[in-house]
Amino acid sequence: SQQGEEDPQALSIQEGENATMNCSYKTSINNLQWYRQNSGRGLVHLILIRSNEREKHSGRLRVTLDTSKKSSSLLITASRAADTASYFCARSGGSYIPTFGRGTSLIVHP
Amino acid sequence: DAMVIQNPRYQVTQFGKPVTLSCSQTLNHNVMYWYQQKSSQAPKLLFHYYDKDFNNEADTPDNFQSRRPNTSFCFLDIRSPGLGDAAMYLCATRRDTISDTQYFGPGTRLTVL
Repeated sequence: SQQGEEDPQALSIQEGENATMNCSYKTSINNLQWYRQNSGRGLVHLILIRSNEREKHSGRLRVTLDTSKKSSSLLITASRAADTASYFCARSGGSYIPTFGRGTSLIVHP
Repeated sequence: DAMVIQNPRYQVTQFGKPVTLSCSQTLNHNVMYWYQQKSSQAPKLLFHYYDKDFNNEADTPDNFQSRRPNTSFCFLDIRSPGLGDAAMYLCATRRDTISDTQYFGPGTRLTVL
C-alpha cells in the first residue's frame, strides 16, 4: 500500500502569501502526482514528479520530492483567492493504481 | 473541450431504488476508473477496467456493479442505494498502464433520501 499522510489537513492564508503542503508515503514509488479539486468538482492534474526527479515547476507551482525521506511538497507562490481548493497527492508504486491521500484544504482570503 | 463526461452531475434517489451513473470519454483511453469520494476524504477506488478486463477492489460492496460496453462508456450501477452511499462518484481515465496521468470527470453527486 502507498498510504501516507498529507499535512496540514487545512491551511488558511491571505492572498499573496505562499502556501506549502506536504505529502508523505511509506513505500517506494515510481512517481507522485498532485491534483487540485475545487468544491464539488472533479480532480484536475497539476504536476507529476518521477522518482528520479527532485524538483519540478509549473507556473506558480513548485513540487519537490525527497525519496530518502519519502515525502513531497507542493508550494504555491503568490497565492490567489482562485487557488482555494483541496489539494491531493497520488502515489504510484509500480501499478497503474494510484493511491490518494486525504488532501489539504486550502483557503486563500482575498 | 470536455474529455471525461459524467452524467448526471447531480442524482437524487430513494433508499433502495437502483441508480445508474454514466461516464464517457473522448480520449480513447484504455483504462477507466470509478472512485467514491465522501466529504473531506480521499477518493476511494471502487473498480477499474483495462479495456474489457474488470478489476474489482476487494472492499467494494456487492451493491456496486459496473459495465463497460465499449471503450468510450462506463457505467456504475448501485443496485440498492443506502444512506451511506451518498457521495461524489468520480470517473477517471488513463491512456494505458505506461502513461501516468489520470484524467477525471467532474463527478456525479449522489443524494440518497
